[in-house]
Formats: sequence, C-alpha cells, structure tokens
Amino acid sequence: DTAVSQTPKYLVTQMGNDKSIKCEQNLGHDTMYWYKQDSKKFLKIMFSYNNKELIINETVPNRFSPKSPDKAHLNLHINSLELGDSAVYFCASSQVAEKLFFGSGTQLSVL
Amino acid sequence: AQSVTQLGSHVSVSEGALVLLRCNYSSSVPPYLFWYVQYPNQGLQLLLKYTTGATLVKGINGFEAEFKKSETSFHLTKPSAHMSDAAEYFCAVSVGYGGSQGNLIFGKGTKLSVKP
Repeated sequence: DTAVSQTPKYLVTQMGNDKSIKCEQNLGHDTMYWYKQDSKKFLKIMFSYNNKELIINETVPNRFSPKSPDKAHLNLHINSLELGDSAVYFCASSQVAEKLFFGSGTQLSVL
Repeated sequence: AQSVTQLGSHVSVSEGALVLLRCNYSSSVPPYLFWYVQYPNQGLQLLLKYTTGATLVKGINGFEAEFKKSETSFHLTKPSAHMSDAAEYFCAVSVGYGGSQGNLIFGKGTKLSVKP
C-alpha cells in the first residue's frame, strides 16, 4: 500500500484556471507538507500542517491555499494558474522528529 | 539563517568506484542534517540523517555520511558504486524543531551517474 499518495500524477491546464491536488497518507503521521520542485530540481517548502493546523506558511502567493480536512489529508488548491506555477509538487508526511515520507509528485504544466 | 551548498551538480563514477557527494551547511544552531535520494519520476526517499550523537551515520543501500562540525560538512560516501545508485541526491538541513522539523532547506541536488 502506498504510504503517501497524490492525485493526479500529471496535470496539464491553461493559464487562469483553478486546479486542486489531493494528498493522503496512511501512516498515521501528525504532520503533512507541500513542497515545490522547480525545473532546476530545486525543492522548497510551501506549507506544513500539524493535526490539521497550519504551522508553516512560506512566502507563497495567496492563489495557493492548502486545506486539511483531517490529519490524513492535505489538499492544495491553486487559483488563477500562471505559467510560473509549472513545477512538480510533492506532498510529504512525518511524525514529529521522524523522517519525511514523500509522495511521488504531481507534475503541473500550465500552458 | 540555515543554508546548504552541494558542490557539483553532476558526478560521474564507474561501477565499483567510490562515491563521494559533497555537502556543506550553514546553521546558527546545532543542525539536523539529511541526505535524500530521488529516482526518476519518484518522490524523495531518506537515505540517512544526523541529529545528535555519533558523527558517522550509516544509511540505506550502503551509504554513510560523516558530520564534521569544524568543516561544516556532511559529505555522503559509498565505497563501491552500483548501477542502481544512479539518481539525484539532495542534502538538507532542518530549520525547525519539534513540529517544524520537517521544514527542510534543500541543496540544489547532485545527479549521480554510474558508468558500467
């Protein structure tokens, strides 16, 4: 069974559209994250939730809004998509002081 | 502020040769350091981590890293490369504690190629 699963794996869309990426973890972890990997493979944290509460919110445009309905899920909604949003988005989870488990990524292409 | 520098964006070794991937860090507090590996079209997987205690850390797949405070380094090594080691390797430092420990600052990655 996949520990951290993201859907969809690929997302191709037009500029200006709104899209969502879903993430679920079955590890019982308390903390979940969204990371963005750009075309040069550079990884940067976007958000972190601990028990459904936002604890890390890096400098990310307001068009990005995470939502955590329960501690096993952390979804990412993006409004008014721009060309620069094209990247691979990784969901991850961890228990406090434990290692991060990453999903396999969602490759977003904005045309 | 914490930061990570990986020397060499691409390293190529022959199968059976020593693998050495370099990582230097900057941190104003005692660092927690990590090496992650990313295979093509996959997420990252933890190879090893240093928090406290023994400075030589052993990880999965025969990799190890040594924390050297005086050199602010955390280089990754493997005595004998295997074709399956070809991947992208990321060094990272944690900028938080407790609930924020997953806030990692990543280096820019080193792509390891293994020649037969």
